[in-house]
Amino acid sequence: DTEVTQTPKHLVMGMTNKKSLKCEQHMGHRAMYWYKQKAKKPPELMFVYSYEKLSINESVPSRFSPECPNSSLLNLHLHALQPEDSALYLCASRGPGGLNEKLFFGSGTQLSVL
Amino acid sequence: AQSVTQPDIHITVSEGASLELRCNYSYGATPYLFWYVQSPGQGLQLLLKYFSGDTLVQGIKGFEAEFKRSQSSFNLRKPSVHWSDAAEYFCAVGAEQAGTALIFGKGTTLSVSS
Repeated sequence: DTEVTQTPKHLVMGMTNKKSLKCEQHMGHRAMYWYKQKAKKPPELMFVYSYEKLSINESVPSRFSPECPNSSLLNLHLHALQPEDSALYLCASRGPGGLNEKLFFGSGTQLSVL
Repeated sequence: AQSVTQPDIHITVSEGASLELRCNYSYGATPYLFWYVQSPGQGLQLLLKYFSGDTLVQGIKGFEAEFKRSQSSFNLRKPSVHWSDAAEYFCAVGAEQAGTALIFGKGTTLSVSS
C-alpha cells in the first residue's frame, strides 16, 4: 500500500459548523503533514507531526486543530472557519528514510466555507 | 534563507517537442529535491526525487531531472511532451530529517498545444 488516503474528498460547511478532515497511511511513515493550497498557488505548510508529536505549527489560527491519534492517522478538526479558509487541504506522509525516502501526498479535501 | 525559485510562471510547448522546467534552490543543508505534478483539483503526484548519487535522475512518465550543485539547480526535462502532460509542476526542497518542512516553489503551469 503506497497511498495516502484523505476523506472526505469534498466538504461544504457553514461558518458555525464543526467538521474533521481525515488522513490515513499504512506505509509506516512517522512524519505526517497538513498543507493548505489555494488555486494556482503552491501548497502552504500548516502542521508537521513527527512520531505522533507536533513538531511544526506554522502560526495557524486556532480554528484549525490537528490531531495525530496514532502513527497511521492524522486528523484536522475545523471549527468556526471563515470563507477565506476555502481551499484544497492536502495531507502528506514521509518516510521511511535513506535512499527509499519519499514524500507522498493524498488527493486532498476540497473545502468550501459558506 | 531557504527558498525555491521557479522562474517560469507559464510555459507553452507544442506536442512532441522537448520540455525543460527550471528550478533553483537556496538551502543551508544537503538538499533533498523533488518534482511534483498536479492536475486541477487533484493532489500532488511525485515525479522524481534526488537525495544523493547519480545527478541525473529518472522519474515516472518519461521525466528526468539533473541536479547541478554548482548552479543550485534541479531542472526537469522531457524529450517529447504529450497533451496529457499539461498540468502544474512544483519543485520542492527539504532536509534529510523526515519531520522537517518541504519548501515549494510557486509552480510552473505547462500548456501543450497541438
